[in-house]
Amino acid sequence: AQSVTQPDIHITVSEGASLELRCNYSYGATPYLFWYVQSPGQGLQLLLKYFSGDTLVQGIKGFEAEFKRSQSSFNLRKPSVHWSDAAEYFCAVGAGDYKLSFGAGTTVTVRA
Amino acid sequence: GAVVSQHPSWVICKSGTSVKIECRSLDFQATTMFWYRQFPKQSLMLMATSNEGSKATYEQGVEKDKFLINHASLTLSTLTVTSAHPEDSSFYICSASPSTGGLVEQYFGPGTRLTVT
Repeated sequence: AQSVTQPDIHITVSEGASLELRCNYSYGATPYLFWYVQSPGQGLQLLLKYFSGDTLVQGIKGFEAEFKRSQSSFNLRKPSVHWSDAAEYFCAVGAGDYKLSFGAGTTVTVRA
Repeated sequence: GAVVSQHPSWVICKSGTSVKIECRSLDFQATTMFWYRQFPKQSLMLMATSNEGSKATYEQGVEKDKFLINHASLTLSTLTVTSAHPEDSSFYICSASPSTGGLVEQYFGPGTRLTVT
């Protein structure tokens, strides 16, 4: 079965600074990878996904992620964070079926 | 597009009563719907998957007699928590997919906060 590890429980970043959230997955074949964002009391919004092809994926809100098979990683980055980026971020991996396995999430706090 | 709603957004019920949560796809037909449970500061755990007109498929460890799922139409799935107890208090999130069995985006609802007293 697939699994996801997000090593950072909480990250604090200054507004305008860059952000990188780590995600490591475990899966025997080529994974389907996702990053979602969840604002307090809200559902999840898809930021970006990787199925195949170019390993650098562009998403919404200025986010990008890079798939590195050798490191089993799919880290999320943003060059310059905005206060509105404060939220919970979840990495998820899907297998050949429709099920998604989510990481524990990383809480991002943005300080002025 | 691809909006999923849930109702209610929060509910408080007494122990022993049943609670129904609705999940609707507003602008697309959801062949497959998923129900997740999220504890505070934790990740989402898939509870069950339902395809329209079929019985739901429950994940291991999820009591199907306690968490009744009905996917009666292509835009509506319901989760009924029967004889709720305080340990059932949680954040329940549904998602919907326009495909059957294929891994495309799941569109998530805003969640329902259930508190059992």
